Amino acid sequence: GENVEQHPSTLSVQEGDSAVIKCTYSDSASNYFPWYKQELGKRPQLIIDIRSNVGEKKDQRIAVTLNKTAKHFSLHITETQPEDSAVYFCAATTDSWGKLQFGSGTQVVVTP
Amino acid sequence: DAGVTQSPTHLIKTRGQQVTLRCSPKSGHDTVSWYQQALGQGPQFIFQYYEEEERQRGNFPDRFSGHQFPNYSSELNVNALLLGDSALYLCASSHQGPSGNTIYFGEGSWLTVV
Repeated sequence: GENVEQHPSTLSVQEGDSAVIKCTYSDSASNYFPWYKQELGKRPQLIIDIRSNVGEKKDQRIAVTLNKTAKHFSLHITETQPEDSAVYFCAATTDSWGKLQFGSGTQVVVTP
Repeated sequence: DAGVTQSPTHLIKTRGQQVTLRCSPKSGHDTVSWYQQALGQGPQFIFQYYEEEERQRGNFPDRFSGHQFPNYSSELNVNALLLGDSALYLCASSHQGPSGNTIYFGEGSWLTVV
């Protein structure tokens, strides 16, 4: 089955700097790659997603890139703010119906 | 447009007891998946329901069972609770449309087994 690895496990950045989280996946048939932000005690919230027919997607300060050849995808957050502090999870699925395989998560801490 | 709703939000059970968690999917969604998220870990897929049938199952024992109703809502049942079942249980709903599926999570049910 699909296996997703996520790095780094923790990421500390100064407010205003950029943050990058990287994920690799094992199954070349994976076709949907969402990113979730989870604040303490709350549900994972979808912040951006990308499908296999697209190489890059941007939404304001957040962008995701996908390299199908290398089987990796990355989340980029620019101009970080303290409210960006949370755990971020990448996920992948080969299944259009929604069985997600999650990475292990990245704790992002943005210091003012 | 209601999002994914789950109940109860928090509950405490004793080892050996049984628990039922409930989920109503987002309006227009017909597929419900359940995930278990232990503290400090990513969500793990338990199973998925579509058209009132279990379509896929993750690596969870038979103590975990579920059901989907004609209105697409779903229940997760866990029998013979163990301390290790303490976790956040998340329901996710989706619908396969022409542009692909998007998956949304409910707020979750926090289960503590003592």
